[in-house]
Amino acid sequence: AQKITQTQPGMFVQEKEAVTLDCTYDTSDQSYGLFWYKQPSSGEMIFLIYQGSYDEQNATEGRYSLNFQKARKSANLVISASQLGDSAMYFCAMREIQGAQKLVFGQGTRLTINP
Amino acid sequence: NAGVTQTPKFRVLKTGQSMTLLCAQDMNHEYMYWYRQDPGMGLRLIHYSVGEGTTAKGEVPDGYNVSRLKKQNFLLGLESAAPSQTSVYFCASRPAAYEQYFGPGTRLTVT
Repeated sequence: AQKITQTQPGMFVQEKEAVTLDCTYDTSDQSYGLFWYKQPSSGEMIFLIYQGSYDEQNATEGRYSLNFQKARKSANLVISASQLGDSAMYFCAMREIQGAQKLVFGQGTRLTINP
Repeated sequence: NAGVTQTPKFRVLKTGQSMTLLCAQDMNHEYMYWYRQDPGMGLRLIHYSVGEGTTAKGEVPDGYNVSRLKKQNFLLGLESAAPSQTSVYFCASRPAAYEQYFGPGTRLTVT
């Protein structure tokens, strides 16, 4: 079975600093996808970034990058130059490649950006 | 496109009552999913569908039923609501590509 672990319940960062949110995963599959979602206080789930298990380069989307270390089974999210609007819950998720491609989520990390 | 919509946005039920949550998507997606999110936790999969007329159980299916009679709609039913079903419910849909599109959520309270 797939499992996602996020060990940081909360993070506090000064505005404009970079922040790394940790995510480790466990799976016996060779092919899988890793996602990060942002959930602001309004409650919606916002897709941020995706990394495929066979992608050789780390994914980047604007200020977001995914530090993918396959041997260590980690998929950390890096946010550069943090902004007040980055304050939210962040969820790491894994998706099976075969079948219905269901998502398995971690417990989340609450990020607070201080001015 | 409206994307993924959920009806209702909020609901309060008494224990034992029944209700149906509606998820609708106008993107012609094959795959649809129902998740629940409890305080301090990530989303957990309740049921899912890989196409019209199909449904399957997810991680936490007990106490829920689903139907996918039309491709654009995925219904989640609670036959006899329990306080343990107090949660925020998210619907999602997905095309052949990798990203799931989430609805805005339904906040359900069972007293």
